[in-house]
Amino acid sequence: QKEVEQDPGPLSVPEGAIVSLNCTYSNSAFQYFMWYRQYSRKGPELLMYTYSSGNKEDGRFTAQVDKSSKYISLFIRDSQPSDSATYLCAMKILTGGGNKLTFGTGTQLKVEL
Amino acid sequence: NAGVTQTPKFQVLKTGQSMTLQCAQDMNHNSMYWYRQDPGMGLRLIYYSASEGTTDKGEVPNGYNVSRLNKREFSLRLESAAPSQTSVYFCASSQKPPGQEEAFFGQGTRLTVV
Repeated sequence: QKEVEQDPGPLSVPEGAIVSLNCTYSNSAFQYFMWYRQYSRKGPELLMYTYSSGNKEDGRFTAQVDKSSKYISLFIRDSQPSDSATYLCAMKILTGGGNKLTFGTGTQLKVEL
Repeated sequence: NAGVTQTPKFQVLKTGQSMTLQCAQDMNHNSMYWYRQDPGMGLRLIYYSASEGTTDKGEVPNGYNVSRLNKREFSLRLESAAPSQTSVYFCASSQKPPGQEEAFFGQGTRLTVV
């Protein structure tokens, strides 16, 4: 079983829809939770970052963490065609060897006009 | 400010050939990483370097070696390429807390081994 599970999609929604992207994890030692966005043939870029359980909002994006259920979500409001990308969840624990990230497989999102 | 720069962007190798993927960052970050990305597998850590002079294995280190040449540069070497190493390789860098938490990624190297 992978430490981080993520539905690969693809997920197709109409413009303006609310999008919900999710990941589950098994390692309770994960302390920091991130969402990366990756456009086709590009490197991932950080979208949202949160330490704690609860919600964190940034514009049209809301990251939600439920540590008791080991479940994280990313909500995108008023989705736009420019949001079409692969969204990767990532998590990390602090070890003596640096900030290693464990990634989900990514969910491919397409927002259609 | 270039961020993380990887070279080359594309490469085709024959089985058994060797090559080195280069990575450089200009953000003065301590930590650097090499990942590979395969369909359905996500990003998997090959090797990382927490600071200049140190390197450690990640999840999938077999068939690879790395060198942290200085604080800026972290190279990945394939000594004898195999078709299973066909993948997109990403280099990343980050700063340990309490500095920046974000890992910055390069644009990737698309490697095909035939």
